[in-house]
Amino acid sequence: GAGVSQSPSNKVTEKGKDVELRCDPISGHTALYWYRQSLGQGLEFLIYFQGNSAPDKSGLPSDRFSAERTGGSVSTLTIQRTQQEDSAVYLCASRLAGGSTDTQYFGPGTRLTVL
Amino acid sequence: AQSVTQLGSHVSVSEGALVLLRCNYSSSVPPYLFWYVQYPNQGLQLLLKYTSAATLVKGINGFEAEFKKSETSFHLTKPSAHMSDAAEYFCAVSAPYNNNDMRFGAGTRLTVKP
Repeated sequence: GAGVSQSPSNKVTEKGKDVELRCDPISGHTALYWYRQSLGQGLEFLIYFQGNSAPDKSGLPSDRFSAERTGGSVSTLTIQRTQQEDSAVYLCASRLAGGSTDTQYFGPGTRLTVL
Repeated sequence: AQSVTQLGSHVSVSEGALVLLRCNYSSSVPPYLFWYVQYPNQGLQLLLKYTSAATLVKGINGFEAEFKKSETSFHLTKPSAHMSDAAEYFCAVSAPYNNNDMRFGAGTRLTVKP
């Protein structure tokens, strides 16, 4: 498709289980971002990938969170031993290149509910 | 470091009335500023952006925003609200040439009454 896609759209899991969230960026976009949107909160930056550079992981809230980007395209955000406070919408965005005026294009998000 | 504050988590207007969504920023360097809209169950869509050119920026769907350095503001306006404008609106700030440091506000939910 032409836009950023994310899967699954909804995920319900039990506390303590691991989850994987997937992001397919727009083809050719070198930059990819993960954000977390909690109820009533703005978007919280989690991690940023740019080309082959080391990712900026400064926003990851704990070592239970990790992300990888394979082949410079698809990215997976993994949350281990999920906690109820991890419940949120996880948004992925991609951007064409390194120019900061370039627009970030967002996917529809994955709504994670931890019971 | 940059940050934005959106004044009012909920704004309600009548159809046809002026829409005004407030955003104030804090930045140690001249900022880039953005407004995004999020419709239910969708990702964020860029409405408009200020990147140090014209201070009055026009975006999609009839929205515009004015960068006012003296007031550190970047309020979003639309002269006449339409029912389809009901959504969540986010203001964001980043430093030039450092788009991996974009910071978003908490959002303002706009309701449009018939």
